[in-house]
Amino acid sequence: GQQLNQSPQSMFIQEGEDVSMNCTSSSIFNTWLWYKQDPGEGPVLLIALYKAGELTSNGRLTAQFGITRKDSFLNISASIPSDVGIYFCAGQTMNRDDKIIFGKGTRLHILP
Amino acid sequence: GAVVSQHPSWVICKSGTSVKIECRSLDFQATTMFWYRQFPKQSLMLMATSNEGSKATYEQGVEKDKFLINHASLTLSTLTVTSAHPEDSSFYICSVTPVQRGGNTDTQYFGPGTRLTVL
Repeated sequence: GQQLNQSPQSMFIQEGEDVSMNCTSSSIFNTWLWYKQDPGEGPVLLIALYKAGELTSNGRLTAQFGITRKDSFLNISASIPSDVGIYFCAGQTMNRDDKIIFGKGTRLHILP
Repeated sequence: GAVVSQHPSWVICKSGTSVKIECRSLDFQATTMFWYRQFPKQSLMLMATSNEGSKATYEQGVEKDKFLINHASLTLSTLTVTSAHPEDSSFYICSVTPVQRGGNTDTQYFGPGTRLTVL
């Protein structure tokens, strides 16, 4: 079946540092989505990517749809305390009836 | 983005009782909604796809008689956990997929989740 490998599993960084996380798949995806989930809340969509090679920014967040269509990365610049949370990548294949596949998440911790 | 609400946000019930969770799409009509379950420190697991006006499609391993889904209108889907047991305690999250201009139906917007605790 389709699998999404998300890494790293967790990160401990200092406030102000940049963050990078990525997802890879053995299958080709037509959509890549990045979500952030705070404790006790539902995931919130950060960035949606629809084209191979697409690079999209949302404030301090930047995500790219890999040219092979099998990977994507999310960068966060100049991290701040409210960036703490779990970041999930998700992907979907061309068939609009296909379900979205989720990565296992990257847990971001910011050290005081 | 789309606005999705869930009710209740949390519920505690006794073992053997049934619990109904509502998912509402507040600013658009949704023919399809999804129900997920999330255990602590784990990713989201799709339970079923809720289709307006027809039967839900359940993922492998999910008991359809235990997790009853009703999608009676274009803005409301309900998940009923029947005869709940402690192992059903989890965070239940719904999502909707709006049809956007250009035909992109791939983006899912999530509700805030419902924390179920079965004693």
